[in-house]
Amino acid sequence: SQQGEEDPQALSIQEGENATMNCSYKTSINNLQWYRQNSGRGLVHLILIRSNEREKHSGRLRVTLDTSKKSSSLLITASRAADTASYFCATDASGGAQKLVFGQGTRLTINP
Amino acid sequence: DSGVTQTPKHLITATGQRVTLRCSPRSGDLSVYWYQQSLDQGLQFLIQYYNGEERAKGNILERFSAQQFPDLHSELNLSSLELGDSALYFCASSVDSWGEDYTGELFFGEGSRLTVL
Repeated sequence: SQQGEEDPQALSIQEGENATMNCSYKTSINNLQWYRQNSGRGLVHLILIRSNEREKHSGRLRVTLDTSKKSSSLLITASRAADTASYFCATDASGGAQKLVFGQGTRLTINP
Repeated sequence: DSGVTQTPKHLITATGQRVTLRCSPRSGDLSVYWYQQSLDQGLQFLIQYYNGEERAKGNILERFSAQQFPDLHSELNLSSLELGDSALYFCASSVDSWGEDYTGELFFGEGSRLTVL
């Protein structure tokens, strides 16, 4: 079963614009992670935010976490064509990676 | 390059057959995880091994089994294959999942694409 649900399922924007993806989850978590997957490739870890953090930055990425609403958002600023990929949130409810549960993902397309 | 190696990259087989997927984790990682990614089910956690022992089971069918060997590589065995088993199978590894250095980050291989005809 899926813990996280990303919204929207697909997003298409112009290069240079910002892209925002949202993730909602159902149970209490220890941390939430975002991963990226290029078509048919393995997932790559982008950023982890712990349950006691509200916002985190990494380069052009900004992640927020609202535990009261059980939601997170991933913002990619100044998007590039190379950002075209699927983005997944993953929640860790137990403190162990064996409980890392992924959402269905948001497919992001950046148009040149 | 994540450092996780999976073989084979592609596999085509028939229903009823048995296949073995292999994974070599990153050097030093003791935990290995198997995930199945299909269009309708998304990314599903199958099973985790830590230093040779099974740590957690997810949505793994009884027809599937896995093991982790002393050299820490892992194999996922899929038997009595059905059309619905066609999917991308990912292996991931992580640093000690119980230690202080735990960050939760998984390092994924490039996957093995299984097609059952």
